[in-house]
Amino acid sequence: SQKIEQNSEALNIQEGKTATLTCNYTNYSPAYLQWYRQDPGRGPVFLLLIRENEKEKRKERLKVTFDTTLKQSLFHITASQPADSATYLCALDSSSNTGKLIFGQGTTLQVKP
Amino acid sequence: ETGVTQSPTHLIKTRGQQVTLRCSSQSGHNTVSWYQQALGQGPQFIFQYYREEENGRGNFPPRFSGLQFPNYSSELNVNALELDDSALYLCASSSTGQGVDEQFFGPGTRLTVL
Repeated sequence: SQKIEQNSEALNIQEGKTATLTCNYTNYSPAYLQWYRQDPGRGPVFLLLIRENEKEKRKERLKVTFDTTLKQSLFHITASQPADSATYLCALDSSSNTGKLIFGQGTTLQVKP
Repeated sequence: ETGVTQSPTHLIKTRGQQVTLRCSSQSGHNTVSWYQQALGQGPQFIFQYYREEENGRGNFPPRFSGLQFPNYSSELNVNALELDDSALYLCASSSTGQGVDEQFFGPGTRLTVL
């Protein structure tokens, strides 16, 4: 069956460290993978999109990698800050380029000062 | 904050009732997708509307239905409410409905079914 999985346990790190979140998928061949941030009681906010032919994408302190062989994406936040504390969701297209996103369950990141 | 708005913010219904949730898409966007998010889970795709037509559906029963209007706003209707329908309902708009587009989510409607 098709699955997209993120670490269900919360990730607790110290301010200034790099946070690394994992997204694994099975039985999909996504052309794109997206990452979203969600704060409690609010809708997800788009952060980054990475295409299957891109190994890495960066935006300010954020970096995403996409390994189609391992069927895995890693999401890094460098020099983390307490304001980065949120739930991070990965999502991929359920079928080719349709915008019908399948989300992982999300990983909650807590950055302690 | 995105330009996507949803109403109402919160809603309490009893089992068996019917509910209508509303969404106004971001200006210039012709595609609206609806998601259900249970507590502690990621959003689950319900269906998508593109230019007033349903353009794909997730694994939800027919008692979940929707509409999109000429101004691209949208409604989600749920009949015969069940306790498991309690969730945050999110709508998201995008400009083309393709996977390459980022989706702009509204704040959601929190539905509680008693």
